[in-house]
Amino acid sequence: DGGITQSPKYLFRKEGQNVTLSCEQNLNHDAMYWYRQDPGQGLRLIYYSQIVNDFQKGDIAEGYSVSREKKESFPLTVTSAQKNPTAFYLCASSKPGPNTYGYTFGSGTRLTVV
Amino acid sequence: GEDVEQSLFLSVREGDSSVINCTYTDSSSTYLYWYKQEPGAGLQLLTYIFSNMDMKQDQRLTVLLNKKDKHLSLRIADTQTGDSAIYFCAERPYYGGSQGNLIFGKGTKLSVKP
Repeated sequence: DGGITQSPKYLFRKEGQNVTLSCEQNLNHDAMYWYRQDPGQGLRLIYYSQIVNDFQKGDIAEGYSVSREKKESFPLTVTSAQKNPTAFYLCASSKPGPNTYGYTFGSGTRLTVV
Repeated sequence: GEDVEQSLFLSVREGDSSVINCTYTDSSSTYLYWYKQEPGAGLQLLTYIFSNMDMKQDQRLTVLLNKKDKHLSLRIADTQTGDSAIYFCAERPYYGGSQGNLIFGKGTKLSVKP
């Protein structure tokens, strides 16, 4: 079955460390997105990519980096420059053009700084 | 600017109807979506409505769209405890021949009391 997979489900980071969150999709979707979710804040867009080897900053890109070397994969690195990284991170993908699906989401990664 | 607004909380009794309201700002949106998020999980597409429709019914779900007032609502009939979740409204604007990113509301947390 096609879908979007995020790993790991839970991740613990020591202060000063970089960590990378994985997002893989086999839906043949061109676009991929990373969101951060904090309680009561809704979804905030970190980075998005409409096509391989290209990506754009979202609303809260500072302290994060991404790459898009393959259509299927869009990893997110939370760097030590992100001062408050504890949050729930969601990856999504979509087809181009108007469609009835909107975005397909992964099941999320909960990152905790220890 | 672009904004999607929803009330943050709704509490209902099991068996009653729930109505979650949303207002959006961009009249160019082709599709409007409702997503459901259960605790610790990603977002799942619940239903959608095309912008030239006034109403869409899907089993216990009814979506009403008032384009003049840019108001969208989701009615859940015979609400069950399993419907307890966060519900997100989203629009996808259409700019100059291309789709913009989905714009999400902050989510309405529905609590169903037995």
